[in-house]
Amino acid sequence: DVKVTQSSRYLVKRTGEKVFLECVQDMDHENMFWYRQDPGLGLRLIYFSYDVKMKEKGDIPEGYSVSREKKERFSLILESASTNQTSMYLCASSPLHEGDEQFFGPGTRLTVL
Amino acid sequence: DQQVKQNSPSLSVQEGRISILNCDYTNSMFDYFLWYKKYPAEGPTFLISISSIKDKNEDGRFTVFLNKSAKHLSLHIVPSQPGDSAVYFCAASGWETSGSRLTFGEGTQLTVNP
Repeated sequence: DVKVTQSSRYLVKRTGEKVFLECVQDMDHENMFWYRQDPGLGLRLIYFSYDVKMKEKGDIPEGYSVSREKKERFSLILESASTNQTSMYLCASSPLHEGDEQFFGPGTRLTVL
Repeated sequence: DQQVKQNSPSLSVQEGRISILNCDYTNSMFDYFLWYKKYPAEGPTFLISISSIKDKNEDGRFTVFLNKSAKHLSLHIVPSQPGDSAVYFCAASGWETSGSRLTFGEGTQLTVNP
């Protein structure tokens, strides 16, 4: 059974703080993804990675960075959190080939005050 | 530029009836389509998919139809059950995108009333 875990289910931070969201998958998947989900906007891709130390920008990378030092772990970093980054953050992983389904973690509800 | 659109934010049906969720796309390079289901406070889970070489794929109560000429796909749930109440996302990918990237629609909240 594929398992994608995220470090926190709920997080409250203050404006300007540096925030780390961690994601770990146990299925040896090459690809990992970070999305945010907002009402009426669906899932929007922030960053993704198809290999260790590789990263590519998604549709909304501004204000975020990522790190993938190990195959199983993909971190999302908010360098200086702002209130408009209050959202549900979802991590996903998938095997290498196009068309393979993505497996999602349970999500982290981040509130920035 | 929203390449995958779900124009109905919500849908309400009676238990036992058919639920039809719709999705339109604009990118003709998309060749693989998926539906995901999401309950509150959980991550999305994969439901069913279809390749562009097919026009229908069925899995139990769930059937996905693809109309390539109209760039439209739909998910049919028959019969609908209260446990099907969730947000449904359609997603698409294409051969030219790297890393199995998916583009998601906005989602449709399905409510099945007992």
